[in-house]
Amino acid sequence: RKEVEQDPGPFNVPEGATVAFNCTYSNSASQSFFWYRQDCRKEPKLLMSVYSSGNEDGRFTAQLNRASQYISLLIRDSKLSDSATYLCVVNTNTGNQFYFGTGTSLTVIP
Amino acid sequence: NAGVTQTPKFRILKIGQSMTLQCTQDMNHNYMYWYRQDPGMGLKLIYYSVGAGITDKGEVPNGYNVSRSTTEDFPLRLELAAPSQTSVYFCASSIRQSSYEQYFGPGTRLTVT
Repeated sequence: RKEVEQDPGPFNVPEGATVAFNCTYSNSASQSFFWYRQDCRKEPKLLMSVYSSGNEDGRFTAQLNRASQYISLLIRDSKLSDSATYLCVVNTNTGNQFYFGTGTSLTVIP
Repeated sequence: NAGVTQTPKFRILKIGQSMTLQCTQDMNHNYMYWYRQDPGMGLKLIYYSVGAGITDKGEVPNGYNVSRSTTEDFPLRLELAAPSQTSVYFCASSIRQSSYEQYFGPGTRLTVT
């Protein structure tokens, strides 16, 4: 079983739409959770960390459900510039290894 | 402040050749990582280091070696390159482990033919 699983998409949404991505993780002892963004042929960059109480950064909201072992990312009022691949990342209980999902591809259409 | 730099950007190797991928960070981060990313796949950890002189294996270490003689540098060595090592290689660093952001270099695109 993979450590982290994501729906690869692609998600094609119109500008202004709300879109949600989910990610599940297998290790119940995982401690830290992140969403990274990766543009085509570029390196990943941190979008936001995911906290137990949920957190919001502008149009982006991240949620963590430890009981069901999933993480979500909600993007409101989608912009063309949001088109990218979104990577779910989980850190193990040992703290030294990060596991990446395969990514969810988002294209925002004018 | 350049962040994480990697060289070369691109490289084509013949089967059986060797090469070293260079990675340097100027943020004084203790933790450094090497990942590979195959098309349509997530990043997989090859090796990591928690400080100068200390390295450890990740998920997919076979065919690779690393060293960490300074805080800044974390080179990745490929011995006897194989087609299965065709991938994009990313180096990353973080100030600490676990809950801290990783900063990635721009990547090295390697083709082994």
